[in-house]
Amino acid sequence: GENVEQHPSTLSVQEGDSAVIKCTYSDSASNYFPWYKQELGKRPQLIIDIRSNVGEKKDQRIAVTLNKTAKHFSLHITETQPEDSAVYFCAASLGAGNMLTFGGGTRLMVKP
Amino acid sequence: GAVVSQHPSWVICKSGTSVKIECRSLDFQATTMFWYRQFPKQSLMLMATSNEGSKATYEQGVEKDKFLINHASLTLSTLTVTSAHPEDSSFYICSPGQANQPQHFGDGTRLSIL
Repeated sequence: GENVEQHPSTLSVQEGDSAVIKCTYSDSASNYFPWYKQELGKRPQLIIDIRSNVGEKKDQRIAVTLNKTAKHFSLHITETQPEDSAVYFCAASLGAGNMLTFGGGTRLMVKP
Repeated sequence: GAVVSQHPSWVICKSGTSVKIECRSLDFQATTMFWYRQFPKQSLMLMATSNEGSKATYEQGVEKDKFLINHASLTLSTLTVTSAHPEDSSFYICSPGQANQPQHFGDGTRLSIL
């Protein structure tokens, strides 16, 4: 089955700096890669996703890149703000709507 | 995004009690329901996948006789934790699946077994 590795497990940045979280996956058949933000005690919320036919996708301060050959994808957050502090999870699946395999999560702390 | 309603949000009960968690997709018909479990400071782990009107498929290590899943309609699925014990204490989250659509999650149920 699919295995998703996520790094780093914790990340501390100064407000305004950029944050990068990286994930690798094992199953070359995976073709859908969402990212979720989870605040303490709350549900994971989808913040951005990318399909394998695209190499990069951007939404305001958030961007995701995908390298299918290397089987890794990354989340980039620019101009970080304190409200970006949360746990971020990457995931992989065989397509949107299919079961997700999650990475271990990254606890992002943005210091004001 | 999709509207998902999950109840209850928090349950505290004695060991040996059975607990039922409901998950409803309010604005679309979910042919598939995914149930995840999340222990403190850990990631989400898929427990089982259910399709409307058929038996659920359980992930390795998840006891199907302990975690009963019913998916009787396209908008409602239930997870029953039978004879719960302290090691079952966790955050249980449902996610209705819709083909080619991103997954969204219910608010989760925090289960604490004393």
